Amino acid sequence: QQQVKQSPQSLIVQKGGISIINCAYENTAFDYFPWYQQFPGKGPALLIAIRPDVSEKKEGRFTISFNKSAKQFSLHIMDSQPGDSATYFCAASRGRALNFGKGTSLLVTP
Amino acid sequence: GAGVSQSPSNKVTEKGKDVELRCDPISGHTALYWYRQSLGQGLEFLIYFQGNSAPDKSGLPSDRFSAERTGGSVSTLTIQRTQQEDSAVYLCASSPRLAGAGGELFFGEGSRLTVL
Repeated sequence: QQQVKQSPQSLIVQKGGISIINCAYENTAFDYFPWYQQFPGKGPALLIAIRPDVSEKKEGRFTISFNKSAKQFSLHIMDSQPGDSATYFCAASRGRALNFGKGTSLLVTP
Repeated sequence: GAGVSQSPSNKVTEKGKDVELRCDPISGHTALYWYRQSLGQGLEFLIYFQGNSAPDKSGLPSDRFSAERTGGSVSTLTIQRTQQEDSAVYLCASSPRLAGAGGELFFGEGSRLTVL
């Protein structure tokens, strides 16, 4: 049973555009929501994370928007660059292992 | 080394054979996780170890899978009587604390298992 549902599966964005990836969860006990970025041949690495007591968190070009009532959160990548081309995973947790979404393959074209 | 080290990086085996995958976590990290990454399936939780507590094995897909962590450091994931559906990349991660407590997971580069 997939506890975190992620969409879209793949995304193509032009350089300078905004990339948006969405996730939804079911378990209201989740209280930690990170995003991980994975380049080919590498393990995932933490990009940005949020807790449900805030609705938005921004780090550079990356922003998480969180909607507790809708049980949804999203990653926005502003001014997307070709170097952002990677697979992005959302995740959710409460005190134990992370439950990951299935990932979004992002391609930023020059 | 500074990061999580996994070996072997690639393993090709025949159906029915046993395989062992090794993970060397970052020194001092108390939490250690195993995940499986299959094409289109994202990251599937298998097992985690936290300090001296009993491991959480709730993600292991069958009793052919087992893992141990010796001395609170190195971990070995063992798959017995491998099946073709076991083919995947097995990722190990370590963390200074539990993920839900805000612990960042540091992943290794994975062990790619191919079962013929």
